[in-house]
Amino acid sequence: EDQVTQSPEALRLQEGESSSLNCSYTVSGLRGLFWYRQDPGKGPEFLFTLYSAGEEKEKERLKATLTKKESFLHITAPKPEDSATYLCAVCRGSARQLTFGSGTQLTVLP
Amino acid sequence: GAVVSQHPSRVICKSGTSVKIECRSLDFQATTMFWYRQFPKQSLMLMATSNEGSKATYEQGVEKDKFLINHASLTLSTLTVTSAHPEDSSFYICSAPPGGAGTDTQYFGPGTRLTVL
Repeated sequence: EDQVTQSPEALRLQEGESSSLNCSYTVSGLRGLFWYRQDPGKGPEFLFTLYSAGEEKEKERLKATLTKKESFLHITAPKPEDSATYLCAVCRGSARQLTFGSGTQLTVLP
Repeated sequence: GAVVSQHPSRVICKSGTSVKIECRSLDFQATTMFWYRQFPKQSLMLMATSNEGSKATYEQGVEKDKFLINHASLTLSTLTVTSAHPEDSSFYICSAPPGGAGTDTQYFGPGTRLTVL
């Protein structure tokens, strides 16, 4: 059974204080790993898709990396508007169904 | 990115009534759409896969007679919660992959907050 574990559950940072969020996964035949951002009361907003170990993708202050067992979402010099819940999900098989982790709730204080 | 819409965004109903939620892909066609449920402070749980022109497939533990799914066209899937009860109150979110070779990225709708009194 696919398992996705995210840590920490919650993270409070000062504005400008860089950090990383972790997503550990167990899945046979990974088809893709996805990062989403979710604001309260809204649907997840797509950030990144990673397909193979060693792959990295960047968008503004965010950088996602992937190994064979985990993925990291690095946040450089965060701003208060980066506060949200960050979700990691894995996709396996041709059905393209996603299994989500429980998320990391990030709060960036001004 | 691709745009997925949902309607309504919020609905309040009495126990025993049925509620229909629409999910539309606005700028792409989707032969497959997915329906998720999210309880407060929890992550998304896949309920069912909606397939255009064929029956939906449901995850274990999801009652197919209670959560009716119809994928009538390449841009529209509907989820009907039949005989809703307070325990069905939740945040319902749909997603769709625009498709294309080498991409499985799913885009999510804004969600529908269902409250059953």
